[in-house]
Amino acid sequence: DTGVSQDPRHKITKRGQNVTFRCDPISEHNRLYWYRQTLGQGPEFLTYFQNEAQLEKSRLLSDRFSAERPKGSFSTLEIQRTEQGDSAMYLCASSLEGDEQYFGPGTRLTVT
Amino acid sequence: KQEVTQIPAALSVPEGENLVLNCSFTDSAIYNLQWFRQDPGKGLTSLLLIQSSQREQTSGRLNASLDKSSGRSTLYIAASQPGDSATYLCAANTGGFKTIFGAGTRLFVKA
Repeated sequence: DTGVSQDPRHKITKRGQNVTFRCDPISEHNRLYWYRQTLGQGPEFLTYFQNEAQLEKSRLLSDRFSAERPKGSFSTLEIQRTEQGDSAMYLCASSLEGDEQYFGPGTRLTVT
Repeated sequence: KQEVTQIPAALSVPEGENLVLNCSFTDSAIYNLQWFRQDPGKGLTSLLLIQSSQREQTSGRLNASLDKSSGRSTLYIAASQPGDSATYLCAANTGGFKTIFGAGTRLFVKA
């Protein structure tokens, strides 16, 4: 069991650039979640996939954000035209049905 | 709208002490509640999951309880150790599987 992996672990980008993060869930897990966490706060829900279908999407996910999970395996989160307010830790989690969520190590984004 | 609150925000205790962390939620219609541990700069580690039909779960020195009617969950840590120092987060999983987290309790266990 390799757990949930995320890539890259750190990303520094200039304002206005596009960035893409990848999440590989635990292989048999059909549910995948994206969260954003800022310093001193708990993670905030962004979006949720069941297999390849995106079933929930937070209002936090503006039209600059898009997430995909082709073929119900790995997922990508893209942020277009990054802003300094996008600086945060982006966390991915997976679960089997409604069971425990298992988190990856996160991708720390810094927008300069 | 579900809101999750954790009290206290920070806690410092001497090694060996038993302690309780509190989590409250405003909407009792939850699917499950999960407790996590987070070390600085790292991802979250799942500690315990309590389904809505359960009252408590235990793992080693940890015991979590759930009282849906009062909108409360507690995490009890027995015989605390310096290695327990971390931020502890609770998360309420609501209908639609949107998970709402509290801001966490930062725990420091002094040797």
